[in-house]
Amino acid sequence: GAVVSQHPSWVICKSGTSVKIECRSLDFQATTMFWYRQFPKQSLMLMATSNEGSKATYEQGVEKDKFLINHASLTLSTLTVTSAHPEDSSFYICSASPRQLNTFGSGTRLTVV
Amino acid sequence: AQSVTQPDIHITVSEGASLELRCNYSYGATPYLFWYVQSPGQGLQLLLKYFSGDTLVQGIKGFEAEFKRSQSSFNLRKPSVHWSDAAEYFCAVARGGGADGLTFGKGTHLIIQP
Repeated sequence: GAVVSQHPSWVICKSGTSVKIECRSLDFQATTMFWYRQFPKQSLMLMATSNEGSKATYEQGVEKDKFLINHASLTLSTLTVTSAHPEDSSFYICSASPRQLNTFGSGTRLTVV
Repeated sequence: AQSVTQPDIHITVSEGASLELRCNYSYGATPYLFWYVQSPGQGLQLLLKYFSGDTLVQGIKGFEAEFKRSQSSFNLRKPSVHWSDAAEYFCAVARGGGADGLTFGKGTHLIIQP
């Protein structure tokens, strides 16, 4: 149990376009999900906490207008990278915490060209 | 604010040898501690976690970790490594309790020599 599915696993987009990443809890309900960002050969940094039915909570330094988070149901949170630029290229990974297990999705590799 | 330090960026171990990966944390309250493993381009797999109770925690794949409050450490160990253990290992502490976002260390890259 406690499976988190993330889609797509990789995406290439043109500079200036927007990209949506989905994070789904497959066998449990998640009122809270987390979005992290990982630069190459670096650690994971928490970007925001996604709350079902309410606004996301963003970490200091993360632009909420750039990284739009929607958590409209108990099993789905989405992260939209708006007007993407090459510096947004990174590995984005979500997690949920059923029974305090902090289960992670498989991540999305975003490349902006 | 909480923080996690993994002092070793790279560690090279011979196959069959024992392994210890170091992790030190800074957190004001009782820490919720985790070890994750990440293969290249993949997500994170939970190896083990500590919330309370027995300070020696058993995890998957033959890993264990020991919580030492006096040293603010949570080192990961394995008695005999396999080539498939080569990966990136992250130690993390939960913010605000066990169901909160995580603060990660910078990771330790484990290389296995044949």
